[in-house]
Amino acid sequence: QKEVEQNSGPLSVPEGAIASLNCTYSDRGSQSFFWYRQYSGKSPELIMFIYSNGDKEDGRFTAQLNKASQYVSLLIRDSQPSDSATYLCAVKPYGGSQGNLIFGKGTKLSVKP
Amino acid sequence: GAGVSQSPSNKVTEKGKDVELRCDPISGHTALYWYRQSLGQGLEFLIYFQGNSAPDKSGLPSDRFSAERTGGSVSTLTIQRTQQEDSAVYLCASSLTTTPQYFGPGTRLTVL
Repeated sequence: QKEVEQNSGPLSVPEGAIASLNCTYSDRGSQSFFWYRQYSGKSPELIMFIYSNGDKEDGRFTAQLNKASQYVSLLIRDSQPSDSATYLCAVKPYGGSQGNLIFGKGTKLSVKP
Repeated sequence: GAGVSQSPSNKVTEKGKDVELRCDPISGHTALYWYRQSLGQGLEFLIYFQGNSAPDKSGLPSDRFSAERTGGSVSTLTIQRTQQEDSAVYLCASSLTTTPQYFGPGTRLTVL
């Protein structure tokens, strides 16, 4: 069973702080990794994707991938109340369907003003 | 440009009735996916279409669920003889290649 694990939270951080969201996955052959943001009652919105080991930065967001440890994280710098949402980690596993993403259940982030 | 659109946004039906949910992908996207999200649960993959290839139906939970994609564009997900456990938000996504996937607003299905 290929799995993606996330701490459900809630993770509470003060405004302006760095929020760190973590995700582990079971399929060592996984190639592609995604972070989606989902506001309550809304559909998931793609935030970041990363394919190679290391860091990838986009504005206030940094995705970090460590394939040896089967670990991917999302850092949000200068957190804002508008960042309060559930963050979903998704992994494209090796083999199987070319399209299937395995999603974690998400971490709920709360940024306090 | 326009994103993925889905209709209806909400659907309330009675147990045992059939329902059809529609997805219109981003123009030019060859891949289309259906997922469902139950309360407090993660996204569950249902079915995947890529171009003219046979769809990957490996995620469909039962033979009451089926989907088709006409003309390589619009897709319809059909649930026959709905059950209360079918209540969920049904999400459609599309992509230019296999990834990344962009989601539509979803259809909230409630089976009474």
